[in-house]
Amino acid sequence: EDKVVQSPLSLVVHEGDTVTLNCSYEVTNFRSLLWYKQEKKAPTFLFMLTSSGIEKKSGRLSSILDKKELFSILNITATQTGDSAVYLCAVGDYKLSFGAGTTVTVRA
Amino acid sequence: GAVVSQHPSRVICKSGTSVKIECRSLDFQATTMFWYRQFPKQSLMLMATSNEGSKATYEQGVEKDKFLINHASLTLSTLTVTSAHPEDSSFYICSAPWTSGGARENEQFFGPGTRLTVL
Repeated sequence: EDKVVQSPLSLVVHEGDTVTLNCSYEVTNFRSLLWYKQEKKAPTFLFMLTSSGIEKKSGRLSSILDKKELFSILNITATQTGDSAVYLCAVGDYKLSFGAGTTVTVRA
Repeated sequence: GAVVSQHPSRVICKSGTSVKIECRSLDFQATTMFWYRQFPKQSLMLMATSNEGSKATYEQGVEKDKFLINHASLTLSTLTVTSAHPEDSSFYICSAPWTSGGARENEQFFGPGTRLTVL
């Protein structure tokens, strides 16, 4: 059975802090690992990672994949209140398995 | 590009009725679409894989006679919740993967979701 484990389950930070979210996985068919941000609606795409060691960046967000150790991290620097959301990690082929998510709360 | 729409966005129905939810890929073709269910404060749980022109594949524990899936064309999949009960109240989300190659291969595009409340 495919397994995607995210940690921590939740965290609270203050604006300007840096957060690091973890995602480890064991799946039968790996094609990519995807990160999504979910507020009170459907998930919005952040990153898709397919190769080890290549960091992807988008503004204050960055992510990297380690296919040998089977994990990924998502970093958010200089956090803002608008970063408050659930961050989901999903892994697989065309069919994805989702982790439980990490709830990030950024306090002003 | 690569937009997925869902209709309706919100539906309230009485127990025992059936509800149909549509998922459309607006600007790309999707031979496969996925249906997820998300209960409050939980992650997305895959219910079934919808295949254009053939039967859907259901995940373990999902009743295929209760959740009817029809993938009638390359841009439309429908999920019908039959004889809905209050425990079926949830957020239903569809997605379609990009399968036309390039850097976006395997990227999943999600619909906006449908919130179903069964009274």
